[in-house]
Amino acid sequence: EVQLVESGGGLVQPGGSLRLSCAASGFTVSSNYMSWVRQAPGKGLEWVSVIYSGGSTYYADSVKGRFTISRHNSKNTLYLQMNSLRAEDTAVYYCARVYPRRYFDLWGRGTLVTVSS
Amino acid sequence: DIQMTQSPSSLSASVGDRVTITCRASQSISSYLNWYQQKPGKAPKLLIYAASSLQSGVPSRFSGSGSGTDFTLTISSLQPEDFATYYCQQSYSTPGYGFGQGTKLEIK
Repeated sequence: EVQLVESGGGLVQPGGSLRLSCAASGFTVSSNYMSWVRQAPGKGLEWVSVIYSGGSTYYADSVKGRFTISRHNSKNTLYLQMNSLRAEDTAVYYCARVYPRRYFDLWGRGTLVTVSS
Repeated sequence: DIQMTQSPSSLSASVGDRVTITCRASQSISSYLNWYQQKPGKAPKLLIYAASSLQSGVPSRFSGSGSGTDFTLTISSLQPEDFATYYCQQSYSTPGYGFGQGTKLEIK
């Protein structure tokens, strides 16, 4: 079955770090563009980051310099390392496949990150 | 950055109604416009890509149109399961994939 499963969310203090994982099955992460999208409570969707099949990475201005997207090819898993977390980073984080580089055709169920003291 | 603006922000309609949601881009994005449906507590679901192409498995009552800066999502005959929030997304100016603010479709 083709699916994405996120994990790693939780409660973290402001200034702290967290690493999210997104395990893929049924397709190869490294052959696709993969992205993270977040949704703050009661708010809309916000694109966060993308990693291209060639390895190039890009970020929204709101997370640039604090978040790092990466992948582990043999584990077929996507990651999002989040550092210097702020209250405004509180959101459900979704991973998604970008196919064929233009639209998000497969989404995970999301993982909740809460940044609070 | 390209800004995506949806209208209306919310909409009340009845089962069987024809509904249209509009998305406007701040500059031309050709046909690089996608539509998603999101139900409470669930991940978004792709409905329409490239402005007018129906994603596999999506009912034919959903349709999309437009190019350049103005786009529409139409539901020809609302069903109970269609009450949700709808988002447009541009994929012209990548690597940014900006979303509209969403349109919440509620039961009248």
